[in-house]
Amino acid sequence: QPVLTQSSSASASLGSSVKLTCTLSSGYSRYIVAWHQLQPGKAPRYLMKLEDIGTYNKGSGVPDRFSGSTSGADRHLTISNVQVEDEADYYCETWDSNTRIFGGGTKLTVL
Amino acid sequence: QVQLVESGGGVVQPGRSLRLSCAASGFTFSRYGMHWVRQAPGKGLEAVAFIWYDGTNREYAESVKGRFTISRDNSKNTLYLQMNSLRDEDTAVYYCARVNPHSDYWGQGTLVTVSS
Repeated sequence: QPVLTQSSSASASLGSSVKLTCTLSSGYSRYIVAWHQLQPGKAPRYLMKLEDIGTYNKGSGVPDRFSGSTSGADRHLTISNVQVEDEADYYCETWDSNTRIFGGGTKLTVL
Repeated sequence: QVQLVESGGGVVQPGRSLRLSCAASGFTFSRYGMHWVRQAPGKGLEAVAFIWYDGTNREYAESVKGRFTISRDNSKNTLYLQMNSLRDEDTAVYYCARVNPHSDYWGQGTLVTVSS
């Protein structure tokens, strides 16, 4: 089964851009990855689905500031013009048959 | 719009049971797989159990296999998680999510606390 690796933390200044990375384990570089945002007291929010060829499909209502890209086994979530409300935990997800796998999550701090 | 509302959480002693429910609305429930995901305090997300759209296939995390049972009632648009022999380490917020095949809609979660 694939393993997803994420950095535990990241920071970005208000108005800047930040790129979060989710890396698929060896042999699984073609897998689709989904990104989710978790904030305290709120339902997790699906952000986008990101394919190995770099195309991505965003969830309903996800701001244009959020975009995705791919480089090999890496699936990137980029947030442009970072806002205070983007401070959250970000998780990537993939699946293998009936098994769903999550990365360890990245805590984004907005400075 | 799609809504998922969990209920049934609470404080329970180790070894006891609890049943969680997830009421779905805003979509054709019987056409989608569903799963339960949990987040223990200070930890990441863990997929706990998955069920096919028609209930014919189920998958469990090793940590809950043999103790938890996922089920669904498509006539009631409701997903369930029966949790038996609860342990301290089952303490978490439990979310239900629609599978498409990624998790595309989530509920707000229900807190389960296992404590004596």
